[in-house]
Amino acid sequence: DAGITQSPRHKVTETGTPVTLRCHQTENHRYMYWYRQDPGHGLRLIHYSYGVKDTDKGEVSDGYSVSRSKTEDFLLTLESATSSQTSVYFCAIRQGGSNEKLLFGSGTQLSVL
Amino acid sequence: KQEVTQIPAALSVPEGENLVLNCSFTDSAIYNLQWFRQDPGKGLTSLLLIQSSQREQTSGRLNASLDKSSGRSTLYIAASQPGDSATYLCAVSDNYGQNFVFGPGTRLSVLP
Repeated sequence: DAGITQSPRHKVTETGTPVTLRCHQTENHRYMYWYRQDPGHGLRLIHYSYGVKDTDKGEVSDGYSVSRSKTEDFLLTLESATSSQTSVYFCAIRQGGSNEKLLFGSGTQLSVL
Repeated sequence: KQEVTQIPAALSVPEGENLVLNCSFTDSAIYNLQWFRQDPGKGLTSLLLIQSSQREQTSGRLNASLDKSSGRSTLYIAASQPGDSATYLCAVSDNYGQNFVFGPGTRLSVLP
């Protein structure tokens, strides 16, 4: 997962608390994505960004917000965590130019009790 | 709304077999299609990317084909090895290449 770091790798929190997950890239790619992966649902897009301060909603954006104040950082915030947000969260970047592959981070396992 | 399906959901084969994984999508207006591999507890690793104008891509023992008009892609794995055991996912991007819709994956087990 060269160039993409997610933090934290694991987090346990309580219902109703705010949670922020961080995705950091070192390669200056324009597009960044947040996905969640759940058994039976596969990977679903939460939010994505196409530049600094430019973000848009994905399929399952309710209860989540994002911010991108710098090219290299894309933050995902759960304003008030619920048990239904227990999941594995993946950040991805889309490479530019002729090679437009998605590169994924290692994921964050979030448990909301 | 784009929907992506993958058949079979799981597959178990003996080492050395050639195998084919299938991916279908409902909207043919795609920009590209990618195949990924995911090992348990890990992130996804991109294997092959096929642009909408291409018919196939090859990397080592892997070959991916794309028939955009029929909404299908196949991933061919030659001479399978136990190290190929993983979940394989396909994803299609929208016509702008911005958003990606993933299939549920095929869980492959290659038995020694």
